[in-house]
Amino acid sequence: EDQVTQSPEALRLQEGESSSLNCSYTVSGLRGLFWYRQDPGKGPEFLFTLYSAGEEKEKERLKATLTKKESFLHITAPKPEDSATYLCAVQAIMNYGGSQGNLIFGKGTKLSVKP
Amino acid sequence: NAGVTQTPKFRILKIGQSMTLQCTQDMNHNYMYWYRQDPGMGLKLIYYSVGAGITDKGEVPNGYNVSRSTTEDFPLRLELAAPSQTSVYFCASSYAPAEAFFGQGTRLTVV
Repeated sequence: EDQVTQSPEALRLQEGESSSLNCSYTVSGLRGLFWYRQDPGKGPEFLFTLYSAGEEKEKERLKATLTKKESFLHITAPKPEDSATYLCAVQAIMNYGGSQGNLIFGKGTKLSVKP
Repeated sequence: NAGVTQTPKFRILKIGQSMTLQCTQDMNHNYMYWYRQDPGMGLKLIYYSVGAGITDKGEVPNGYNVSRSTTEDFPLRLELAAPSQTSVYFCASSYAPAEAFFGQGTRLTVV
């Protein structure tokens, strides 16, 4: 069964204290791994897509990396405005080689950054 | 460019009532999805559509129905609402099986 596990469930950082969020996945065939940010009362906001092991993507203080079994979201010198829940999701390749497109989500990591 | 728009934002239903959650997108995306998000749980796929006239069940379809008569609209119908359907519902769309863009959600309470 395709599955996504995120850790930790919650993370509290001081402003400027760098850290990483983990996303472990089990999927029959990975088409893509996605990171989203979700603010309270809002819909998930797309951050990154990673397609193959070794790939990295960066955006401001965030960098996402991918291996064959997990992905990391590295946060460098975070600011209070980075506080949010970060969601990881995978998209599987179907048996016919295509994809129905739906995402399998983890439960998220709630990040709090204190000034 | 509005993206994905969901209405209503909030709704309280009584047990046994029915309602339709509206979703429309203006990005000309073929793929559309309905997810529900419960506290402490990941988003779960209810139904999805790969184009007008084509819909299919996701992981948790029981108690829901969908239709896709146009590219833009993908309404979700709740029949005979139950307390277990209390949740936040998100509609999303994507151009292909790629990154999806989400609406702001509908918070539904069934009492």
